[in-house]
Amino acid sequence: NAGVTQTPKFRVLKTGQSMTLLCAQDMNHEYMYWYRQDPGMGLRLIHYSVGEGTTAKGEVPDGYNVSRLKKQNFLLGLESAAPSQTSVYFCASSADTYNEQFFGPGTRLTVL
Amino acid sequence: AQKITQTQPGMFVQEKEAVTLDCTYDTSDQSYGLFWYKQPSSGEMIFLIYQGSYDEQNATEGRYSLNFQKARKSTNLVISASQLGDSAMYFCAMREFGYNQGGKLIFGQGTELSVKP
Repeated sequence: NAGVTQTPKFRVLKTGQSMTLLCAQDMNHEYMYWYRQDPGMGLRLIHYSVGEGTTAKGEVPDGYNVSRLKKQNFLLGLESAAPSQTSVYFCASSADTYNEQFFGPGTRLTVL
Repeated sequence: AQKITQTQPGMFVQEKEAVTLDCTYDTSDQSYGLFWYKQPSSGEMIFLIYQGSYDEQNATEGRYSLNFQKARKSTNLVISASQLGDSAMYFCAMREFGYNQGGKLIFGQGTELSVKP
């Protein structure tokens, strides 16, 4: 039982490059979330999904897109990376909107 | 608007002593949940303890307990008998249960706890 996994763990991009972060969960959870964590700050929600085929914007969605084509996967895309997107990205999932969210190990992204 | 405030950027505690980490929140919803997560230096987010807004008893989970004061909108985390492994960043977070909230978590800025031997 792997829980929530994220691919890749580390990535360095140049300004303007694109990339996709993959989140996968094996707990059959309906709800999935992408957060970013910047130094000295708590996690901030980028986008989330309340079920397969659905997505919604969070607090800081600009510059990111997401897709949830399969229930177990939630993809976060950066079309044209900017240095301001240098951050640690966490994916999370939960069975419902009441109990705890389970987090992946994070992806450390650096944009030069 | 929902907001979580953790006013202690850093805390020190002697090993085996108890420590309290403060958290206040702001919400207009009557139905919500409060969560504490631990983030060690390795970076993962570890769920510790949960308190629902309608729970009458303070939550406890092993050495972790919450001092939940609903009228004051505070939910302080108490760690008893601190251990060196408790050194980490601690985040308080809130989930509003209202329709269309999507169950998203709102996080505070965190408190870095250092346990001294």
